[in-house]
Order: sequence, then C-alpha cells, then structure tokens
Amino acid sequence: GDSVTQTEGQVALSEEDFLTIHCNYSASGYPALFWYVQYPGEGPQFLFRASRDKEKGSSRGFEATYDKGTTSFHLRKASVQESDSAVYYCALRTGGYKVVFGSGTRLLVSP
Amino acid sequence: EAAVTQSPRNKVTVTGGNVTLSCRQTNSHNYMYWYRQDTGHGLRLIHYSYGAGNLQIGDVPDGYKATRTTQEDFFLLLELASPSQTSLYFCASSGTGGPYNYAEQFFGPGTRLTVL
Repeated sequence: GDSVTQTEGQVALSEEDFLTIHCNYSASGYPALFWYVQYPGEGPQFLFRASRDKEKGSSRGFEATYDKGTTSFHLRKASVQESDSAVYYCALRTGGYKVVFGSGTRLLVSP
Repeated sequence: EAAVTQSPRNKVTVTGGNVTLSCRQTNSHNYMYWYRQDTGHGLRLIHYSYGAGNLQIGDVPDGYKATRTTQEDFFLLLELASPSQTSLYFCASSGTGGPYNYAEQFFGPGTRLTVL
C-alpha cells in the first residue's frame, strides 16, 4: 500500500538555523503531496501542497519541491524562529478519499 | 475558513464502557475522517466517509464503529472501550479538490479519551 516515511523523529535547532525535514513516499499512482503543521493543543493544519513533478509548494517561509525521481518532498526553511516549534507531518493523497500520513517530526527551536 | 468542531474535548470512561465521540463540519465538505494520534505512530485512520450514510474502513478499525448521519455530522462509537483505546482522536473533513481529488483536510481540535 501507499506509505510516507519521515526519517527524523525530532529536530532541535537554534533560531536562524536552516531547516530540512526529510519526507519520502511510496505510491502506486501519481499522488498529491502535503505538509501539515500541528501546534501544541491543536489539530493539524494544512501548510501547503504540490500535485505534479517539480512543482514547489510554499507557505510562511516553508517550501518543498515534488521530486518524482527520488520520490521525495523534503520540507525546508532558510531561517527558523522559536514560533516554528511544532510537529510537522508529510502526507499523500492519490485521488481517492484516503490520506496517508507520515509519523511526524517534532521541531524544537531554541532562542 | 472551514470549521470542524468536536465534542466532548475530554472524556474519561472505564473498561467496557460505551463512548460516542461527535464531529460536526460546517463547510459542506463531502469527506469526513476519524483519526487517532499516539506517540510514535502519528495519525492513524480509523474510519472515513464520503457522504451521509456512507462508511469506509480505515487502517485501524478494530473496536470502533462510525456513523455519518448527515453531511455535517460524523460519529465514532466505542461500544466496549478498552485501555488500548486511550488516545487523542481527531476528526477531519475535506472537499473534492477537482477531478483529482487533491483537496486538503481541515482538522478539529481533538478529543482526549482515557479508558481506565
């Protein structure tokens, strides 16, 4: 079945550091890829999506590029802030109702 | 902005107890979902639905029933609750997102369930 792998369970950075969270997927069809962010005490919220090869999604300074060749959708941000501390989820959807989530990456940013 | 509400926000029950978690969305979305969230497992899909009266089985359905009574309302039922069902439960909804169905999901604030 379809799957999403996030290799980092937790990432600890200082403010203004560069962020990369890795996301790789496996899907039988041609999926849309998503990033969601979850702040403490809240439900996940949509960050952005990309639906075709080489498309870049972005929001709030975060970005990721859909790479069909390496089956990846890595999340990046040039300069993180303490307020970016949250759990980040990569997800895919292949055109049906079902959405598959990765296990999540907790980002801790210290001032 | 789509709105998804859940009730109750917190619930404590005993083993063998009967629990109903409620979810309502007010954005006329067709699709609704129930997830559980546990440390180390992320979000796992329990049941989902694409309209009133429809129910689809997710990845971790054992011990759960669900019912979609209207387009707005989706319920999760635990008829014989067990301690393994202690978790944080999220409801979500999404629209169609065009012919390829790539719409994002909108999540509720969650219900924390404890089974003693």
